Amino acid sequence: EVVLTQSPATLSLSPGERATLSCRASQSVGRYLAWYQQKLGQAPRLLIYETSTRAPGIPARFSGSGSGTDFTLTINGLEPEDSALYYCQQRFNWPPLTFGGGTKVEI
Amino acid sequence: EVHLVESGGGLVQPGGSLRLSCAASGFTLSSYEMTWVRQAPGKGLEWVSYTSGSGSVIYYADSVKGRFTISRDNAKNSLYLQMNSLRVEDTAVYYCARFLYYGLPDLGYWGHGTLVTVSS
Repeated sequence: EVVLTQSPATLSLSPGERATLSCRASQSVGRYLAWYQQKLGQAPRLLIYETSTRAPGIPARFSGSGSGTDFTLTINGLEPEDSALYYCQQRFNWPPLTFGGGTKVEI
Repeated sequence: EVHLVESGGGLVQPGGSLRLSCAASGFTLSSYEMTWVRQAPGKGLEWVSYTSGSGSVIYYADSVKGRFTISRDNAKNSLYLQMNSLRVEDTAVYYCARFLYYGLPDLGYWGHGTLVTVSS
Protein backbone atom coordinates (compact mmCIF):
# COMPACT_ATOMS: atom_id res chain seq x y z
CA GLU A 1 0.00 0.00 0.00
CA VAL A 2 1.28 3.45 -0.93
CA VAL A 3 1.56 5.72 2.10
CA LEU A 4 1.23 9.46 1.49
CA THR A 5 2.76 11.88 3.99
CA GLN A 6 1.68 15.51 3.89
CA SER A 7 3.50 18.47 5.35
CA PRO A 8 3.21 20.76 7.10
CA ALA A 9 0.30 19.75 9.29
CA THR A 10 -0.85 23.36 9.51
CA LEU A 11 -0.03 26.42 7.44
CA SER A 12 -0.99 29.89 8.69
CA LEU A 13 -0.75 32.62 6.09
CA SER A 14 -2.23 36.00 5.22
CA PRO A 15 -4.51 36.89 2.32
CA GLY A 16 -2.56 37.42 -0.88
CA GLU A 17 0.33 35.19 0.15
CA ARG A 18 1.35 31.92 -1.49
CA ALA A 19 0.75 28.52 0.11
CA THR A 20 3.02 25.58 -0.67
CA LEU A 21 1.79 22.16 0.44
CA SER A 22 3.84 18.99 0.17
CA CYS A 23 2.86 15.37 -0.37
CA ARG A 24 5.45 12.60 -0.30
CA ALA A 25 4.73 9.03 -1.41
CA SER A 26 6.35 5.91 0.07
CA GLN A 27 6.99 4.68 -3.47
CA SER A 28 6.74 6.17 -6.91
CA VAL A 29 3.21 6.98 -8.04
CA GLY A 30 4.30 8.39 -11.41
CA ARG A 31 2.14 11.43 -11.98
CA TYR A 32 -1.05 9.83 -10.66
CA LEU A 33 -1.60 12.14 -7.76
CA ALA A 34 -4.63 14.28 -7.00
CA TRP A 35 -5.41 17.06 -4.53
CA TYR A 36 -8.69 17.72 -2.74
CA GLN A 37 -9.97 20.65 -0.70
CA GLN A 38 -12.35 20.09 2.20
CA LYS A 39 -13.97 23.00 3.95
CA LEU A 40 -15.43 22.62 7.41
CA GLY A 41 -18.61 20.56 7.33
CA GLN A 42 -18.43 19.95 3.59
CA ALA A 43 -17.52 17.08 1.32
CA PRO A 44 -14.10 17.07 -0.33
CA ARG A 45 -13.75 18.77 -3.71
CA LEU A 46 -11.32 17.67 -6.39
CA LEU A 47 -8.85 20.45 -7.20
CA ILE A 48 -6.06 18.83 -9.21
CA TYR A 49 -5.61 15.42 -10.85
CA GLU A 50 -2.68 13.77 -12.59
CA THR A 51 -0.32 16.06 -10.66
CA SER A 52 -1.08 19.29 -12.47
CA THR A 53 -4.44 19.24 -14.29
CA ARG A 54 -7.06 21.45 -12.69
CA ALA A 55 -10.49 19.92 -12.31
CA PRO A 56 -13.39 21.70 -14.01
CA GLY A 57 -14.21 25.03 -12.41
CA ILE A 58 -11.05 25.26 -10.31
CA PRO A 59 -9.42 28.69 -10.45
CA ALA A 60 -5.96 29.13 -11.91
CA ARG A 61 -4.45 30.19 -8.58
CA PHE A 62 -4.38 26.48 -7.71
CA SER A 63 -1.52 24.60 -9.34
CA GLY A 64 0.22 21.29 -8.86
CA SER A 65 3.65 19.93 -9.67
CA GLY A 66 5.96 17.00 -9.04
CA SER A 67 6.45 13.40 -10.07
CA GLY A 68 7.53 10.09 -8.61
CA THR A 69 7.43 10.54 -4.86
CA ASP A 70 7.39 14.30 -4.28
CA PHE A 71 4.47 16.54 -5.11
CA THR A 72 3.45 20.11 -4.37
CA LEU A 73 0.17 21.99 -4.35
CA THR A 74 0.63 25.73 -4.69
CA ILE A 75 -2.09 28.27 -3.99
CA ASN A 76 -1.21 31.74 -5.25
CA GLY A 77 -2.91 34.89 -3.99
CA LEU A 78 -4.59 33.26 -0.99
CA GLU A 79 -8.17 34.27 -0.33
CA PRO A 80 -10.05 33.84 2.95
CA GLU A 81 -12.26 31.20 1.28
CA ASP A 82 -9.16 29.02 0.78
CA SER A 83 -9.15 28.17 4.49
CA ALA A 84 -9.63 24.41 4.45
CA LEU A 85 -8.05 21.00 4.79
CA TYR A 86 -6.16 19.78 1.75
CA TYR A 87 -5.60 16.10 0.99
CA CYS A 88 -3.50 14.35 -1.61
CA GLN A 89 -4.53 10.98 -3.09
CA GLN A 90 -2.74 8.48 -5.30
CA ARG A 91 -4.16 6.13 -7.93
CA PHE A 92 -0.98 4.71 -9.40
CA ASN A 93 -1.10 1.51 -7.39
CA TRP A 94 -4.65 0.71 -6.40
CA PRO A 95 -6.65 -0.75 -4.82
CA PRO A 96 -6.51 0.68 -2.33
CA LEU A 97 -6.84 4.33 -3.23
CA THR A 98 -4.89 6.08 -0.49
CA PHE A 99 -5.02 9.58 0.91
CA GLY A 100 -2.52 11.67 2.80
CA GLY A 101 -3.24 12.81 6.33
CA GLY A 102 -4.05 16.35 5.25
CA THR A 103 -2.70 19.87 5.64
CA LYS A 104 -4.80 22.55 7.30
CA VAL A 105 -4.50 25.98 5.71
CA GLU A 106 -5.49 28.90 7.90
CA ILE A 107 -5.88 32.33 6.35
CA GLU B 1 -25.67 18.81 -13.04
CA VAL B 2 -24.23 15.81 -11.22
CA HIS B 3 -25.91 15.23 -7.89
CA LEU B 4 -25.21 12.52 -5.31
CA VAL B 5 -27.31 12.14 -2.18
CA GLU B 6 -26.48 9.62 0.53
CA SER B 7 -28.95 8.28 3.06
CA GLY B 8 -29.33 5.46 5.54
CA GLY B 9 -26.89 6.50 8.22
CA GLY B 10 -27.71 6.43 11.90
CA LEU B 11 -26.90 4.96 15.29
CA VAL B 12 -26.31 1.22 15.48
CA GLN B 13 -24.91 -1.08 18.13
CA PRO B 14 -21.64 -2.97 17.63
CA GLY B 15 -22.33 -6.10 15.62
CA GLY B 16 -25.33 -4.53 13.93
CA SER B 17 -26.05 -3.75 10.29
CA LEU B 18 -26.91 -0.74 8.17
CA ARG B 19 -27.55 -0.21 4.49
CA LEU B 20 -26.44 3.06 2.96
CA SER B 21 -27.88 4.35 -0.29
CA CYS B 22 -26.60 6.92 -2.74
CA ALA B 23 -29.07 8.42 -5.20
CA ALA B 24 -27.43 9.66 -8.38
CA SER B 25 -28.81 12.19 -10.84
CA GLY B 26 -27.57 14.33 -13.69
CA PHE B 27 -25.66 11.52 -15.38
CA THR B 28 -26.02 7.92 -16.51
CA LEU B 29 -24.92 5.84 -13.52
CA SER B 30 -24.02 2.77 -15.59
CA SER B 31 -21.35 4.78 -17.41
CA TYR B 32 -19.33 5.56 -14.32
CA GLU B 33 -17.38 3.78 -11.65
CA MET B 34 -18.37 4.65 -8.10
CA THR B 35 -16.72 4.49 -4.72
CA TRP B 36 -17.47 4.86 -1.04
CA VAL B 37 -15.06 6.91 1.08
CA ARG B 38 -15.39 7.45 4.81
CA GLN B 39 -14.10 9.96 7.32
CA ALA B 40 -14.01 9.23 11.02
CA PRO B 41 -14.74 12.22 13.28
CA GLY B 42 -11.79 14.61 13.17
CA LYS B 43 -9.79 12.24 10.97
CA GLY B 44 -8.72 12.00 7.34
CA LEU B 45 -10.24 10.29 4.34
CA GLU B 46 -10.29 6.50 3.94
CA TRP B 47 -11.30 4.73 0.75
CA VAL B 48 -13.79 1.92 1.48
CA SER B 49 -15.01 0.28 -1.71
CA TYR B 50 -15.26 0.50 -5.51
CA THR B 51 -17.60 -0.80 -8.18
CA SER B 52 -17.25 -0.69 -11.92
CA GLY B 53 -20.04 0.72 -14.06
CA SER B 54 -21.64 -2.66 -14.58
CA GLY B 55 -20.91 -3.87 -11.07
CA SER B 56 -18.80 -6.76 -12.36
CA VAL B 57 -15.58 -5.51 -10.75
CA ILE B 58 -15.57 -4.75 -7.04
CA TYR B 59 -12.82 -3.88 -4.58
CA TYR B 60 -12.77 -3.39 -0.82
CA ALA B 61 -10.40 -1.94 1.70
CA ASP B 62 -8.92 -4.61 3.94
CA SER B 63 -10.57 -2.96 6.94
CA VAL B 64 -14.06 -3.77 5.64
CA LYS B 65 -13.51 -6.87 3.49
CA GLY B 66 -15.90 -9.65 4.42
CA ARG B 67 -18.21 -7.29 6.32
CA PHE B 68 -19.29 -4.68 3.76
CA THR B 69 -20.89 -5.27 0.37
CA ILE B 70 -21.11 -2.67 -2.37
CA SER B 71 -23.80 -2.94 -5.01
CA ARG B 72 -25.58 -0.82 -7.54
CA ASP B 73 -28.90 -0.69 -9.35
CA ASN B 74 -28.27 1.29 -12.49
CA ALA B 75 -31.93 1.18 -13.45
CA LYS B 76 -32.75 2.96 -10.19
CA ASN B 77 -29.71 5.26 -10.40
CA SER B 78 -28.61 4.05 -7.01
CA LEU B 79 -25.48 2.83 -5.27
CA TYR B 80 -25.54 0.89 -2.01
CA LEU B 81 -23.27 -0.16 0.82
CA GLN B 82 -24.47 -3.01 3.02
CA MET B 83 -22.54 -2.88 6.27
CA ASN B 84 -22.63 -5.90 8.58
CA SER B 85 -20.80 -6.78 11.79
CA LEU B 86 -20.26 -3.11 12.46
CA ARG B 87 -17.51 -2.04 14.83
CA VAL B 88 -16.97 1.10 16.85
CA GLU B 89 -14.13 1.99 14.49
CA ASP B 90 -16.57 2.07 11.55
CA THR B 91 -18.03 5.28 12.98
CA ALA B 92 -17.62 7.88 10.26
CA VAL B 93 -19.26 10.05 7.67
CA TYR B 94 -19.68 7.92 4.56
CA TYR B 95 -19.46 9.62 1.19
CA CYS B 96 -20.32 8.20 -2.20
CA ALA B 97 -18.12 9.58 -4.94
CA ARG B 98 -17.99 9.31 -8.73
CA PHE B 99 -14.93 9.13 -10.91
CA LEU B 100 -14.37 12.40 -12.74
CA TYR B 101 -13.94 10.50 -16.00
CA TYR B 102 -14.49 6.85 -16.83
CA GLY B 103 -11.48 4.74 -15.94
CA LEU B 104 -9.64 7.41 -13.97
CA PRO B 105 -9.97 7.08 -10.18
CA ASP B 106 -9.93 10.77 -9.44
CA LEU B 107 -13.03 11.48 -7.40
CA GLY B 108 -14.62 14.38 -9.19
CA TYR B 109 -18.07 14.36 -7.59
CA TRP B 110 -19.05 13.71 -4.00
CA GLY B 111 -22.26 13.53 -2.05
CA HIS B 112 -22.74 15.42 1.20
CA GLY B 113 -22.20 12.28 3.26
CA THR B 114 -24.22 10.33 5.81
CA LEU B 115 -23.10 9.77 9.40
CA VAL B 116 -22.83 6.26 10.78
CA THR B 117 -22.34 5.96 14.53
CA VAL B 118 -21.54 2.58 16.01
CA SER B 119 -21.95 2.65 19.75
CA SER B 120 -23.57 0.74 22.58
